[in-house]
Amino acid sequence: EIVLTQSPATLSLSPGERATLPCRASQSVSSYLAWYQQKPGQAPRLLIYDASNRATGIPARFSGSGSGTDFTLTISSLEPADFAVYYCQQRSNWPPTFGQGTKLEIK
Amino acid sequence: EVQLVESGGGLVQPGGSLRLSCAASGFTFSSYAMSWVRQAPGKGLECVSGISGSGGSTIYADSVKGRFTISRDNSKNTLYLQMNSLRAEDTAVYYCAKSRMGNIIRDAFDIWGQGTMVTVFS
Repeated sequence: EIVLTQSPATLSLSPGERATLPCRASQSVSSYLAWYQQKPGQAPRLLIYDASNRATGIPARFSGSGSGTDFTLTISSLEPADFAVYYCQQRSNWPPTFGQGTKLEIK
Repeated sequence: EVQLVESGGGLVQPGGSLRLSCAASGFTFSSYAMSWVRQAPGKGLECVSGISGSGGSTIYADSVKGRFTISRDNSKNTLYLQMNSLRAEDTAVYYCAKSRMGNIIRDAFDIWGQGTMVTVFS
């Protein structure tokens, strides 16, 4: 099973700042990596698929990069609605696995 | 509107059974693989099972293999998860999720239901 590591577990930033969230895979997943946003009491929402493609309706301030084992989700200028938990997910091998999440909190 | 609505969660004792349902609308259900993803309280996400659009291919995480069965009824646009021999560690919110690309089980999930809570207690 491929393990995805997200560090730090919590990231404290202010609205308007740039957020950089890393995700590292225990083995290569090629570009088969997605990012999700989850708010309390809600289901996850797909942001990015295949490392760098924005899902339908996702604002341009969200971008993804990377390949192989190292990936990054970048939020160019944080808005209040962006403070949430973010998960990465690989689909290279079964089972699709998720990172443990990074909580983005308001500083 | 594309929508998934889960039902069937509840309280059950260890060793008991539950069947979850997920009603789909707003898309051609039979054209898409579907999965069940669970989230234990305060924890991360775990994909436990997936099924192809026709229902002919199914796959399970090791943690549920032999205990859970995924199925679908394309005439009713409904996905199911039969859960037997439930354990305390199966306690979680269970989400059904739609594969983004079509009939690919190992995929990103672009549509999620609201989730249904399963609590296994003694």
